[in-house]
Amino acid sequence: EAQVTQNPRYLITVTGKKLTVTCSQNMNHEYMSWYRQDPGLGLRQIYYSMNVEVTDKGDVPEGYKVSRKEKRNFPLILESPSPNQTSLYFCASRPSLAETQYFGPGTRLLVL
Amino acid sequence: KNEVEQSPQNLTAQEGEFITINCSYSVGISALHWLQQHPGGGIVSLFMLSSGKKKHGRLIATINIQEKHSSLHITASHPRDSAVYICAPRSQGNLIFGKGTKLSVKP
Repeated sequence: EAQVTQNPRYLITVTGKKLTVTCSQNMNHEYMSWYRQDPGLGLRQIYYSMNVEVTDKGDVPEGYKVSRKEKRNFPLILESPSPNQTSLYFCASRPSLAETQYFGPGTRLLVL
Repeated sequence: KNEVEQSPQNLTAQEGEFITINCSYSVGISALHWLQQHPGGGIVSLFMLSSGKKKHGRLIATINIQEKHSSLHITASHPRDSAVYICAPRSQGNLIFGKGTKLSVKP
């Protein structure tokens, strides 16, 4: 089944404790993105990647890192999480910029 | 000023009603996506369109590039259509998301 998977789906952590949210797609898509969704603000892009080893900042990259060492994986790293990073996070992929985007199931993160 | 405006923000309808959700945007775009976010949080892409009209089942999406406006219509609405509908124009390769329209269809 073609899909985008994220892990973990739910995470409670404390300020400053490094964490990684994994994202994997099995559709051989070139383009992958991370978004966060907050009440009243909608979805906002954190980082995106156009191919292996090619990443770029989105609208809200502060406090996040990403890597794209393999085409299928695009992990989101929070080196020192803070409470303002409490949010619902979505990974997404698409074959190219001009095509439909496929979303992962989301990761709910609470930073205490 | 938001680049993408959706209306209404909230919509309650009776089963069987015809639904219209509107999206206006201020930037130049190459295409526009309509997304559906289920109550559980998952997001699926309903349509991607760059001109005219697309239909899928009871859902119809239209776009007028000159007027920078798109609409999503749902015919014969059903309680399972209850969700948040998000308009997302694509500008310079990236999606710009509206804040969504929360639709609740009552039986």
